[in-house]
Amino acid sequence: EAGVAQSPRYKIIEKRQSVAFWCNPISGHATLYWYQQILGQGPKLLIQFQNNGVVDDSQLPKDRFSAERLKGVDSTLKIQPAKLEDSAVYLCASRFGSGRGGQETQYFGPGTRLLVL
Amino acid sequence: AQKITQTQPGMFVQEKEAVTLDCTYDTSDPSYGLFWYKQPSSGEMIFLIYQGSYDQQNATEGRYSLNFQKARKSANLVISASQLGDSAMYFCAMREGRAAGNKLTFGGGTRVLVKP
Repeated sequence: EAGVAQSPRYKIIEKRQSVAFWCNPISGHATLYWYQQILGQGPKLLIQFQNNGVVDDSQLPKDRFSAERLKGVDSTLKIQPAKLEDSAVYLCASRFGSGRGGQETQYFGPGTRLLVL
Repeated sequence: AQKITQTQPGMFVQEKEAVTLDCTYDTSDPSYGLFWYKQPSSGEMIFLIYQGSYDQQNATEGRYSLNFQKARKSANLVISASQLGDSAMYFCAMREGRAAGNKLTFGGGTRVLVKP
């Protein structure tokens, strides 16, 4: 079974530029998550989709970050314009179920390492 | 207040020895789950082990076991017979019952270096 795919793996941009990351979850997984992991810290949830609807985007800086999952499968996270503090690893994860509780492990992709100069 | 605390920023362990990674958590929800993930230098988060708040027995998965002490709100990971490939960052995470969609809150991580 293929895992969570992400691209690109690395990206270097200058501040005020825009950038987009792509994620393809494990086939059949209803729930998709985007996390931001700043160097030396644990991942922090940015946004969560259940199928093609947003469940939680409370920690997404909406003035510059946007995300979509139009067909309930793959997803795109965009930053426009980027700031220096956006330098981080952006991790995508997916989970089979969509309900509350239970083990229902989240499976992560390899991440995209973003460096903003 | 921190919901997940990992007090050991880094530690060395001799190959073939056991190592315990500490994790304490804070929640008032009676239903929650605790996860441990491994993150090697490649960056991917690899699921290791899960413990539910109502589970009667400590979880085990191969060389990984979870020392769950509910009253103390701790969920320490024990890695037995350490291997060089165990060198990585280890993250403890919690899913709270009321959190819609199984949102995970992560600790700051512990870096483990296995010495030959």
